Amino acid sequence: DSGVTQTPKHLITATGQRVTLRCSPRSGDLSVYWYQQSLDQGLQFLIQYYNGEERAKGNILERFSAQQFPDLHSELNLSSLELGDSALYFCASSVAPRGTYNEQFFGPGTRLTVL
Amino acid sequence: DAKTTQPNSMESNEEEPVHLPCNHSTISGTDYIHWYRQLPSQGPEYVIHGLTSNVNNRMASLAIAEDRKSSTLILHRATLRDAAVYYCILRDNQGGKLIFGQGTELSVKP
Repeated sequence: DSGVTQTPKHLITATGQRVTLRCSPRSGDLSVYWYQQSLDQGLQFLIQYYNGEERAKGNILERFSAQQFPDLHSELNLSSLELGDSALYFCASSVAPRGTYNEQFFGPGTRLTVL
Repeated sequence: DAKTTQPNSMESNEEEPVHLPCNHSTISGTDYIHWYRQLPSQGPEYVIHGLTSNVNNRMASLAIAEDRKSSTLILHRATLRDAAVYYCILRDNQGGKLIFGQGTELSVKP
């Protein structure tokens, strides 16, 4: 158990819909990362937050947005869903936003299925 | 971000050592070499990282070539629980994100 929690575990929805994925980082971790894992693209970095502020952006679509709240939990919002958005979405957390000992701890993931 | 090259898959026998290679010929002086692994149906987990010197921890050892263009993750005694996809990742000390490649799928035979 990494200490990172993600809800829900599974999500099934239809094209065009909007969903919200939630992540609670490990106690004491200020940085949160979101990754997407699909069969054709592998594990891809989406976005990083540190203490409520966006820190880095990766291959995140404009239909996707995220935020980190004052209690440090984070939400990833996916809208106008397409079949290709079906994937595993992982959240990870770390103490610092960068640096040598910036080990990331991953949650168990949310499996999103878009029908 | 500098790229890494790993074999797609490797096989090992239980209780034998495993050497997982990684090539990173375009590594820069500030890039650290990180290894993560992903067990089936789980999120990735940190294994080990290093800069220039060889590193050991309770999970594995990391051997880094003198020119830093390659490295090897060593599992001293593979167990069935070590069956996973192993990712070799280069990360600048200033960066936080991890850029995953395809990784090496390790299977362990009893």
